[in-house]
Amino acid sequence: AQTVTQSQPEMSVQEAETVTLSCTYDTSESNYYLFWYKQPPSRQMILVIRQEAYKQQNATENRFSVNFQKAAKSFSLKISDSQLGDTAMYFCAFMTLFNAGKSTFGDGTTLTVKP
Amino acid sequence: EAQVTQNPRYLITVTGKKLTVTCSQNMNHEYMSWYRQDPGLGLRQIYYSMNVEVTDKGDVPEGYKVSRKEKRNFPLILESPSPNQTSLYFCASSPTDPSPSSYEQYFGPGTRLTVT
Repeated sequence: AQTVTQSQPEMSVQEAETVTLSCTYDTSESNYYLFWYKQPPSRQMILVIRQEAYKQQNATENRFSVNFQKAAKSFSLKISDSQLGDTAMYFCAFMTLFNAGKSTFGDGTTLTVKP
Repeated sequence: EAQVTQNPRYLITVTGKKLTVTCSQNMNHEYMSWYRQDPGLGLRQIYYSMNVEVTDKGDVPEGYKVSRKEKRNFPLILESPSPNQTSLYFCASSPTDPSPSSYEQYFGPGTRLTVT
C-alpha cells in the first residue's frame, strides 16, 4: 500500500516571500504520478502541479515549482512570491500506474500568507 | 463550462435512511472517483471507476455503493447511513492515458453530509 506523509500540519509565510511544503511517500512502484492540490477556504479542490515519475525534470507552473527526488521519495512544493490568495490547505497526492486510479492523499498542510 | 457537479450540496439525514449523492461531469472523462474528507485525515478514496461498468474499491469502501452506467455519471449510494459517515464528500474526474493531463483530477464542489 502506498502512503503519503505531509509532516507540516501548519505553516505561515509573509507576503512576497518563498515557502516550501514537504511531502514524502512510500511505494514499491517505479511508474506513478504525483500531484499537489490546493483547497482554499471555499473548499474547492484545485490542481496546482503534476509530476510524472519517469521525468527527471522538475515541474513548474508560474510561481509554483516542485523538487522531486525519486530516490528519496520526496516531492516538495515551493511557492515563490507568496500572495494572500495562496492561503489554503495544500494536499500532496500519489497515483500509481500499476493500479491506475487508486489515489492516496496526504493529510494536508494549512498555509497562511500574512500581509 | 467544463465542470463536475454534485447534488445535493448539503444534506442532513437520519440513521438508516437510504440516500444517493449524484455526480456528473461534462468533460468526457474516463476516470471518476469519490472521496471523503474528515478533519486531520486528508482525502480518503471510497471508490473509483476507470470507465463505464468498471468500478473498484478505494481505501474506505465500507458502507458505500457506486455504479457507472453512463460515462458522465457516478452516483454514490449510502444504503443505511450511520453517524460515522458524516463527512464532506468530493467527486472527481480526469482523463486517462494517453492524455497529456492524465489523472489530473477535476473536483466537484463537495457535499456536506450529516447523519444524525
